[in-house]
Amino acid sequence: GNSVTQMEGPVTLSEEAFLTINCTYTATGYPSLFWYVQYPGEGLQLLLKATKADDKGSNKGFEATYRKETTSFHLEKGSVQVSDSAVYFCALFSGTYKYIFGTGTRLKVLA
Amino acid sequence: DAGVIQSPRHEVTEMGQEVTLRCKPISGHNSLFWYRQTMMRGLELLIYFNNNVPIDDSGMPEDRFSAKMPNASFSTLKIQPSEPRDSAVYFCASSPWGGQSSGNTIYFGEGSWLTVV
Repeated sequence: GNSVTQMEGPVTLSEEAFLTINCTYTATGYPSLFWYVQYPGEGLQLLLKATKADDKGSNKGFEATYRKETTSFHLEKGSVQVSDSAVYFCALFSGTYKYIFGTGTRLKVLA
Repeated sequence: DAGVIQSPRHEVTEMGQEVTLRCKPISGHNSLFWYRQTMMRGLELLIYFNNNVPIDDSGMPEDRFSAKMPNASFSTLKIQPSEPRDSAVYFCASSPWGGQSSGNTIYFGEGSWLTVV
């Protein structure tokens, strides 16, 4: 079946450090891939998405590239800020109604 | 544009009481989801509606849980009787998807934070 695996957290970084959160997936067909962010006390918000191989999603300085050959969708940001502290979820949508979410990776950015 | 609206935001109730959570999806979205989030189990899909019809309720934990969608702009999730292990954040989400197309985004509400004591 379809699944999403993302790296365990928490990830603790200093401000302006480079961020990578790994996400790999298993799916039949050609899924769409998403990153969602959840700030404390809030719901999940779409951060970026990619709908086909080699697409790059980007938003607020975050980027992720849909790599079909490695079945990956790693999230990156060149310089994190304290305000980026949140939980990040990788997700997959394969054309049925079910969105498959990863377990979430907590990011803590220190000033 | 208004997003998915949930109420109440916070609820503290005693064990055995009935709890009703409410959701207004984004206008025009024909898919509605109820999720539960806990530290132990992460994000779990409880039930999915398409065009107001329950399509998959296999995630509903027990008969104490029930969900309805009487029209396109309103849904409820009810727990009766509530138990301490039901304490969690309950999210409602909606999506414009209704067919076999891919790439549709799911939009979440702010959540209802439930504590059963």
